[in-house]
Amino acid sequence: DAKTTQPNSMESNEEEPVHLPCNHSTISGTDYIHWYRQLPSQGPEYVIHGLTSNVNNRMASLAIAEDRKSSTLILHRATLRDAAVYYCILRDDSGNTGKLIFGQGTTLQVKP
Amino acid sequence: GAVVSQHPSRVICKSGTSVKIECRSLDFQATTMFWYRQFPKKSLMLMATSNEGSKATYEQGVEKDKFLINHASLTLSTLTVTSAHPEDSSFYICSAKRTRSYNEQFFGPGTRLTVL
Repeated sequence: DAKTTQPNSMESNEEEPVHLPCNHSTISGTDYIHWYRQLPSQGPEYVIHGLTSNVNNRMASLAIAEDRKSSTLILHRATLRDAAVYYCILRDDSGNTGKLIFGQGTTLQVKP
Repeated sequence: GAVVSQHPSRVICKSGTSVKIECRSLDFQATTMFWYRQFPKKSLMLMATSNEGSKATYEQGVEKDKFLINHASLTLSTLTVTSAHPEDSSFYICSAKRTRSYNEQFFGPGTRLTVL
């Protein structure tokens, strides 16, 4: 599985936008970019995923670089409840195994 | 969204005993479920892929005789930690993927196992 690189931690102020970067320079053509987040003492939850085009949903936006070697998860207005570990994961959906290999993720702190 | 439950949420057991953890998809069918473990301040580590009606596929370094997985129905997978030892103490998390869907996975709330 291709690796991703994320900053260990980031800080944000409440109600401000947050841009969480992810580098995946060895991404292959069939790898989808998935983002999950994990709140303290809970299981992870799905945030968003994409292949080539930018994606938006009710939780966040995903901006994917044209060469696909990096992506950015955007939280438009951070709230205290967004404090979590955010994982950027590449998944080869062509293989149909569906398994997710988690890296270290980015711990996001949101300050009131 | 789809709901995955785990039972128990927390268990404390004596060294040498076996512990069974259940993972259920409550409102969808899941041909495939996954089991992870997570140590404090660490990321999730995939242990095995559980397929309904067939043997589980274990990741490298995970002892299949130690961590028994059974996926007897489309809504239930169980993980049994056999002859548990203190080093098996961890947070165990399952996830489920909808049948015929390769997108999001739904994670359970986790089970915290403490072996004394």
